[in-house]
Amino acid sequence: QAMLTQPASLSASPGASASLTCTLRSGINVGAYSIYWYQQKPGSPPQYLLRYKSDSDKQQGSGVPSRFSGSKDASANAGILLISGLQSEDEADYYCMIWHISAWVFGGGTKLTVL
Amino acid sequence: QITLKESGPTLVKPTQTLTLTCTFSGFSLSTSEVGVGWIRQPPGKALEWLALIYWDDDKRYSPSLKSRLTITKDTSKNQVVLTMTNMDPVDTATYYCAHHLTTMPFDSWGQGTLVTVSS
Repeated sequence: QAMLTQPASLSASPGASASLTCTLRSGINVGAYSIYWYQQKPGSPPQYLLRYKSDSDKQQGSGVPSRFSGSKDASANAGILLISGLQSEDEADYYCMIWHISAWVFGGGTKLTVL
Repeated sequence: QITLKESGPTLVKPTQTLTLTCTFSGFSLSTSEVGVGWIRQPPGKALEWLALIYWDDDKRYSPSLKSRLTITKDTSKNQVVLTMTNMDPVDTATYYCAHHLTTMPFDSWGQGTLVTVSS
């Protein structure tokens, strides 16, 4: 079982909101981790979006719009990237990441389509 | 402004050793809390973290690849070098280096270099 599981794809309409999930493997409690999020557009390297551990412990990346935000769903053991007011430029792959036992771990990524 | 650039061979043969260099500017690897990491991405697939070196020469490796990887730094040249032994076609990927802070990991990335493993 992968440590971080992301849905392979998600579609949403312009102006709507999209919730991208990053589910941690059973036995790894999301509450103990900061979840990092990256955006990658075709042909480009990833870009850092934000870090979220709690509402009192979070950090937005430099220049990242406030319509990108993080949260957690403890009942689902998942981190969430919420993108509000979707724009066509938000169409990209999104990756979550955690620091686990002295190693960085990426999720498998979600391809977000805005249509 | 932070910039990073990866360099190295575009084609390696199976069983060979890959050596990649990350040359950076806009920061110093002798500054506390600063690091440089390597991440790779096979064509059409997900990101995979490989290795990280800190300002104090502390090093971290992917557990699954640890036996094949070595990361070193040359602070005077603003370079970080990654070597990967015993290359295999499954190691074909774009290899990225990225600036790392404990509070904001991989906040700046190089453009990446595509390495193909084929005989």
